[in-house]
Amino acid sequence: ETGVTQSPTHLIKTRGQQVTLRCSSQSGHNTVSWYQQALGQGPQFIFQYYREEENGRGNFPPRFSGLQFPNYSSELNVNALELDDSALYLCASSLGQENTGELFFGEGSRLTVL
Amino acid sequence: AQRVTQPEKLLSVFKGAPVELKCNYSYSGSPELFWYVQYSRQRLQLLLRHISRESIKGFTADLNKGETSFHLKKPFAQEEDSAMYYCALAKYNFNKFYFGSGTKLNVKP
Repeated sequence: ETGVTQSPTHLIKTRGQQVTLRCSSQSGHNTVSWYQQALGQGPQFIFQYYREEENGRGNFPPRFSGLQFPNYSSELNVNALELDDSALYLCASSLGQENTGELFFGEGSRLTVL
Repeated sequence: AQRVTQPEKLLSVFKGAPVELKCNYSYSGSPELFWYVQYSRQRLQLLLRHISRESIKGFTADLNKGETSFHLKKPFAQEEDSAMYYCALAKYNFNKFYFGSGTKLNVKP
């Protein structure tokens, strides 16, 4: 059973650019959620995808968007990057509405915006 | 608005001492509550959830709806308990999660 994998692990972008982060969910999981974790803070919920549809969203602007594919892997896209977008981005997979809420996290993608 | 508050950024105790990590929440409904833990150089993982009413690694947490708290307790701390602990709240259908800012537990020998 493979765990949640994220890519890339680190990347550097400049303000105004766009970035795509990728996540492969744990085998058998149909739900993926994304979190932004700034230094010294807890994970902040961005959104969740369940069976390829967004079914929950946190307080993030529309320039944060996502996709979930038929194999349940997912992408997080951030347009018009701002300095404050610098953070660790975590992906977590789960069994969604069929489960008891356990999230399985990846190791994260660390984004630096210059 | 939904919010999870962990008032302590750092908690240091000696091995064998009791430990209590505080968590308070605000939520208009019946929340599902969890404790997640991140050990050094490991990924974030579930420690326990209130619906299971289980004890994991000697830790327990009781949901107090009157005080809107979900404090994590262990009677005798071990050095291997040193980690970052996050309290989390989810809506009933688990489509939104809210995490606290975390408490770093340092258990001294």
